[in-house]
Amino acid sequence: SQTIHQWPATLVQPVGSPLSLECTVEGTSNPNLYWYRQAAGRGLQLLFYSVGIGQISSEVPQNLSASRPQDRQFILSSKKLLLSDSGFYLCAWSMDNYEQYFGPGTRLTVT
Amino acid sequence: AQTVTQSQPEMSVQEAETVTLSCTYDTSESNYYLFWYKQPPSRQMILVIRQEAYKQQNATENRFSVNFQKAAKSFSLKISDSQLGDTAMYFCAFGQGSNYKLTFGKGTLLTVNP
Repeated sequence: SQTIHQWPATLVQPVGSPLSLECTVEGTSNPNLYWYRQAAGRGLQLLFYSVGIGQISSEVPQNLSASRPQDRQFILSSKKLLLSDSGFYLCAWSMDNYEQYFGPGTRLTVT
Repeated sequence: AQTVTQSQPEMSVQEAETVTLSCTYDTSESNYYLFWYKQPPSRQMILVIRQEAYKQQNATENRFSVNFQKAAKSFSLKISDSQLGDTAMYFCAFGQGSNYKLTFGKGTLLTVNP
């Protein structure tokens, strides 16, 4: 069966510091991968998605970037965090359909 | 761009009763997919039910069922015999086009009272 992992689960970072959040999927090959941000406990905003290694599409111009160095690994990064980057970050995967499965999420607080 | 509207920010229901959550969407296409996701206090997003637009029959998963009205672009979720564990934020989602992206509504916070 497929599983999706995210880490860390919780992160507190100062403004201006770098960020790296990791997402990995097990039990499947060549999944579609997605990064979402959920602010204030409501609404999911799609940040990035990837249909293959090295293929990243950005949905919203912002202070973040994403990379997919391996088939089942998806990384969300920032060089310098802003206060507005605080939120709950969710990674999801799907095969070639719309049914997405989510990881447990990372709660990021920028202080 | 597609939009998904959940007009009920919060709802409450008594345990064992039935509740219906509303969702409407906007599209000019005929082929698409609709989903309801549940996010309990743990914040884990859980897929509850899915509906393909080309299927006329409403989807059902145990106590969860949908009322899909394609002409009205409406996709409501009915929860029967509500349980305390149903307390969660519920999101309606719409999928269409390439890259298998989903558009989510803003969510409805459902509280099941004992």
